[in-house]
Amino acid sequence: DGGITQSPKYLFRKEGQNVTLSCEQNLNHDAMYWYRQDPGQGLRLIYYSQIVNDFQKGDIAEGYSVSREKKESFPLTVTSAQKNPTAFYLCASSIDGTGGTDTQYFGPGTRLTVL
Amino acid sequence: DQQVKQNSPSLSVQEGRISILNCDYTNSMFDYFLWYKKYPAEGPTFLISISSIKDKNEDGRFTVFLNKSAKHLSLHIVPSQPGDSAVYFCAASEMDDKIIFGKGTRLHILP
Repeated sequence: DGGITQSPKYLFRKEGQNVTLSCEQNLNHDAMYWYRQDPGQGLRLIYYSQIVNDFQKGDIAEGYSVSREKKESFPLTVTSAQKNPTAFYLCASSIDGTGGTDTQYFGPGTRLTVL
Repeated sequence: DQQVKQNSPSLSVQEGRISILNCDYTNSMFDYFLWYKKYPAEGPTFLISISSIKDKNEDGRFTVFLNKSAKHLSLHIVPSQPGDSAVYFCAASEMDDKIIFGKGTRLHILP
């Protein structure tokens, strides 16, 4: 049963703490992405990776970090430097990351609340 | 500066009628357009797409129309069904570049 999993579904953290969101895919996709969704906003790209051990900043990378040590995994760390971390975080993957024709498949999302 | 604009935050349509969701874009280099559908607390799912070499693409109840001169695309759903109630995101990309999403339109299908 192929797909993308994100865990946990809901996450609460105290202000000033780093937190890592998990994203795993078993679709054998090369490309993976992290988006953030805020109320009334579209999906904004945080980071993306087209191949293992390589990743690029998206439009709102400040305060976030990622790693891509394995093809299946693309964890996102929300650091204490992120000024407004409370949001719904979505992970996606696609076959090779070659633009819009390469359909992205999304995970179920993680809602992070920083108290 | 928003490159993909969905100017209607929400839309209500009677069940069985046609739903028309609109999207405008500013970047004339966009050559591929997509619509995603999203239920609350879930990830978006791909719905339908269209290349800039076409002006219409149809898939069952869903049709996307592209007007390149007006930099406008629309998604038609007919007939509208209760399960169509969701947020619809318009997205666009240039060849080999990342996808830009609009802010979304929440569609309510009324009984």
